[in-house]
Amino acid sequence: AQSVAQPEDQVNVAEGNPLTVKCTYSVSGNPYLFWYVQYPNRGLQFLLKYITGDNLVKGSYGFEAEFNKSQTSFHLKKPSALVSDSALYFCAVRVSGSARQLTFGSGTQLTVLP
Amino acid sequence: DADVTQTPRNRITKTGKRIMLECSQTKGHDRMYWYRQDPGLGLRLIYYSFDVKDINKGEISDGYSVSRQAQAKFSLSLESAIPNQTALYFCATSALTNTGELFFGEGSRLTVL
Repeated sequence: AQSVAQPEDQVNVAEGNPLTVKCTYSVSGNPYLFWYVQYPNRGLQFLLKYITGDNLVKGSYGFEAEFNKSQTSFHLKKPSALVSDSALYFCAVRVSGSARQLTFGSGTQLTVLP
Repeated sequence: DADVTQTPRNRITKTGKRIMLECSQTKGHDRMYWYRQDPGLGLRLIYYSFDVKDINKGEISDGYSVSRQAQAKFSLSLESAIPNQTALYFCATSALTNTGELFFGEGSRLTVL
């Protein structure tokens, strides 16, 4: 089984402040974890992924995420938010070695205020 | 040109009509997917295909069918559209690996009246 939860529908942050978008997962096995971003009227774009190795993963546009196995979390972070980071963010998970495809979270709308 | 192209981008139709959404890709990927996006529900997988002769149901395949006409083409059909199929539909592709990221089209917004 696999599922992912994004507990916040909306996150607001001031420009220049650090941002965090939360994601927790539940899998029976080792997880592959992904973050995607969706800008208005566009398809989803890949940001970063955790497959194995270093728990801190760096991705596009200055984003990073930390895999925490004990807390089953994969929070997305950025040290200094930009107004252009405002978008809908999706966390996704699949189980290593499973035929089951990616399961997406419900999404978190990030708004960066100028 | 976009790597993953969906047509039409917007469609309004009536209950009971047959609708086809088309997807073509130039990425050379073997794997193609159809997802549906609803507000507050994220993306849910409808069907996926790992090659021309391989079609698999996703979590919400009822009321939908697909055709993989070629490596680069994957179409989604609603045989008899109903209002609760009103949604944003995405086609996606990925490389032949379970760790590969998905590449999405721009989406097809379908409204069923």
